[in-house]
Amino acid sequence: DTEVTQTPKHLVMGMTNKKSLKCEQHMGHRAMYWYKQKAKKPPELMFVYSYEKLSINESVPSRFSPECPNSSLLNLHLHALQPEDSALYLCASSQVMVFGGAGNQPQHFGDGTRLSIL
Amino acid sequence: DAKTTQPNSMESNEEEPVHLPCNHSTISGTDYIHWYRQLPSQGPEYVIHGLTSNVNNRMASLAIAEDRKSSTLILHRATLRDAAVYYCILRSSYRNNAGNMLTFGGGTRLMVKP
Repeated sequence: DTEVTQTPKHLVMGMTNKKSLKCEQHMGHRAMYWYKQKAKKPPELMFVYSYEKLSINESVPSRFSPECPNSSLLNLHLHALQPEDSALYLCASSQVMVFGGAGNQPQHFGDGTRLSIL
Repeated sequence: DAKTTQPNSMESNEEEPVHLPCNHSTISGTDYIHWYRQLPSQGPEYVIHGLTSNVNNRMASLAIAEDRKSSTLILHRATLRDAAVYYCILRSSYRNNAGNMLTFGGGTRLMVKP
């Protein structure tokens, strides 16, 4: 069982719908991440939050809107998605080193939300 | 970012050791070497990481070359459950946003035969 919980596990939505993906961890981690993974490809980083503030946005289209309401929760709000956005969306968390950076800290992943856009 | 190169796929027999290689010839002195694996229908799972010295944990061993330009993940006795894609990733320890980056390469698909 993973310590990072993602809901829902599967989501089918139309291009005009608005939905949200949720991620929760209770390991006290202060860095949280969203990744996108297409079939048979490696995960690609989308967003990084550090101490509940957005620190990295990898040029993700604005139809994806992340939110970190507290240190345990991470949301990804979806609106007006395209069929090519169908993918597995993975959430991860890690410690942040006291003096910044996280190069020495492993990331813990959830099992993802499989999103299909009709 | 320094890149890694791994074979696309490898095969192993069950209960035999497996050595998964990774080349990272442009590694910098502050880059950690991380290994993750992804089992079918699951998110990636942390396996092990190191900086300069060899490392052991309950899952695997990591052997790092003296010049740090390559490393090898060692599974001591492969089981069917070890069939997965194994990713070798370099992570910066700099105090900036780059330290939070986890850039996956293509990985090695390990197949384990009974």
